[in-house]
Amino acid sequence: DIQMTQSPSSLSASVGERVTITCQASQDSHNYLNWYQLKPGKAPKLLIYDASKLETGVPSRFSGSGSGTDFTFTISSLQPEDFASYFCQQYESLPFTFGPGTKVDIK
Amino acid sequence: EVQLVESGGGWAQPGRSLRLSCAASGFTFDDFAMHWVRQVPGQGLEWVSGISWNSGSTVYADSVKGRFTISRDNAKNSLYLQMNSLRTEDTALYYCVKDIGLELRYLDFWGRGTLVSVSS
Repeated sequence: DIQMTQSPSSLSASVGERVTITCQASQDSHNYLNWYQLKPGKAPKLLIYDASKLETGVPSRFSGSGSGTDFTFTISSLQPEDFASYFCQQYESLPFTFGPGTKVDIK
Repeated sequence: EVQLVESGGGWAQPGRSLRLSCAASGFTFDDFAMHWVRQVPGQGLEWVSGISWNSGSTVYADSVKGRFTISRDNAKNSLYLQMNSLRTEDTALYYCVKDIGLELRYLDFWGRGTLVSVSS
């Protein structure tokens, strides 16, 4: 199985700040990586697929980059509605595996 | 509008069974593979199982293999997860998730989940 690590596990940031989260795969995952947003009581939402492609309807302040084993997720200017948890997930091979998540809260 | 609505969660004792259902709408159900993913409260996400569009391919996480069975009824636009021999570590919020294609490719649209609690 491909193991995913993610950092930081949590961060505090202010509205308007730039936020960066990193994700590392234990094996080459090519660009087969998604980023999801989770909020309590809501359905998880796909933000980025294929490591860098923005899902339809997702604001352009969200972006992703990387390939192979190292990936980055960025929110260019944090908005109030972005306070949530974010998870990376590889789909290079089954079983699909997730990073442990990053909780973004208000500074 | 795509909708996935899970049901069937609840409390069960260790060793007992539960059957989860997922009602799909807003898309052509038999054009897509489907998955179950779970989240232990306050913890991370774990992919549980996936099934191809025509049930020709089913795959399971090692943690549930031999105990859980995924199935679908394309005529009813429904996905199921039969959970037998439940363990306390199966306690989690279970999400029904749509794939982007016919075969197991990647997770696309998620439901809100149904909570399963296993305890004595």
